Amino acid sequence: AQTVTQSQPEMSVQEAETVTLSCTYDTSENNYYLFWYKQPPSRQMILVIRQEAYKQQNATENRFSVNFQKAAKSFSLKISDSQLGDTAMYFCAFMKHSGGGADGLTFGKGTHLIIQP
Amino acid sequence: NAGVTQTPKFQVLKTGQSMTLQCAQDMNHEYMSWYRQDPGMGLRLIHYSVGAGITDQGEVPNGYNVSRSTTEDFPLRLLSAAPSQTSVYFCASSPPGQGRYNEQFFGPGTRLTVL
Repeated sequence: AQTVTQSQPEMSVQEAETVTLSCTYDTSENNYYLFWYKQPPSRQMILVIRQEAYKQQNATENRFSVNFQKAAKSFSLKISDSQLGDTAMYFCAFMKHSGGGADGLTFGKGTHLIIQP
Repeated sequence: NAGVTQTPKFQVLKTGQSMTLQCAQDMNHEYMSWYRQDPGMGLRLIHYSVGAGITDQGEVPNGYNVSRSTTEDFPLRLLSAAPSQTSVYFCASSPPGQGRYNEQFFGPGTRLTVL
């Protein structure tokens, strides 16, 4: 079984600052996918960014980028030029590559990110 | 496309009552799943389905039943509700094959309270 650990229950930064959210995971799989999901107060789950484990290059999506360290089993999310709309719960999630079936996503407990004006 | 829809948005039950949480998607996604989210926890997988007629258990299946008679619908049944099932429930879907590794599309959630 996989586990995902987010060690920062809450973080608070000033608008326009850069913030990094930490995520570590434990797995014996070699082929898998990692995700960061955002959950604003509306409760909607929104995909922020994804990373394929076989790709060494770190994924980027506009102001969002990841630092993927496969050997260390670490997958941190960096948000640059943070905005008030970035205030939300952020969940790190893992999905293993399975041939026939699908195990779904394994989530961490989340980090509550607060962007202060 | 409406995406993934869930009904109801809110529900209050008494212990022992039964109910069905509805989930539907209009994207022709083969893979559908149910998660529950408890305070201080991430989402946890309850049941999933890789296509019509095929379902399987996730991490926390006890107390829940599912069926998948059509591609579009994936209802979650609570046969005898317990206070421990108070939670927010999310339905998700994704395209077939490699598509499920790209993104899971989540519904807006159902907040269930069992008294």
